[in-house]
Amino acid sequence: EVQLVESGGGLVQPGGSLRLSCAASGFTFSDHYMDWVRQAPGKGLEWIGRSRNAADRYTTEHAASVRGRFTVSRDASKNSVSLHMNSLRTDDTAVYYCVRDAGSYWGQGTLVTVSS
Amino acid sequence: DNQMTQSPSSVSASVGDRVTITCRASQDVTRWLAWYQQKPGKAPKLLIYAVSNLPSGVPSRFSGSGSGTHFTLTIDNLQSEDFATYYCQQADTFPFTFGPGTKVDIK
Repeated sequence: EVQLVESGGGLVQPGGSLRLSCAASGFTFSDHYMDWVRQAPGKGLEWIGRSRNAADRYTTEHAASVRGRFTVSRDASKNSVSLHMNSLRTDDTAVYYCVRDAGSYWGQGTLVTVSS
Repeated sequence: DNQMTQSPSSVSASVGDRVTITCRASQDVTRWLAWYQQKPGKAPKLLIYAVSNLPSGVPSRFSGSGSGTHFTLTIDNLQSEDFATYYCQQADTFPFTFGPGTKVDIK
């Protein structure tokens, strides 16, 4: 059974940093692309980044709204993908989802609240 | 960016009805168009991928069609568990983009 479990969310002050992790199981992690998608409270879905698979050398893509502040990375030895978030702003407040292959499987999400 | 729009933004329907949701892209998405269902407090669930393909376990009352920039999601014989918000997404070009959502609620 495919499982994606996010962790690391919480309350952080504007300008602060946070690292989200997603533990993957139930599939061959290195074969699949992994994405991060977020959803602000009461709003729609926003794709924010990707880690490609091993065949594509785990290269990454990031949305313009987070480029330079957020970084997607993968630890293949631990079957996990991370989202490193710096210079957080109040409008980064959202539930952050770990997603396989653009949407085939989703984690349960982790809430990040940026507030003073 | 490839902007996605959906119509209607909300629809009220009854059990047994047919519901059709339209999704339009500002640029051709070839076949990289997916639909998701989201219920309050839950993660989205993949309903349809590559325009018209249903993942295992998705009821056959859901169907998708379209090409290029115009796509539709149809729900036949609406069931009580189908009341939710539906999103389309293009995964043809970065950044992947979602439609704003269509809320299907009970009439």
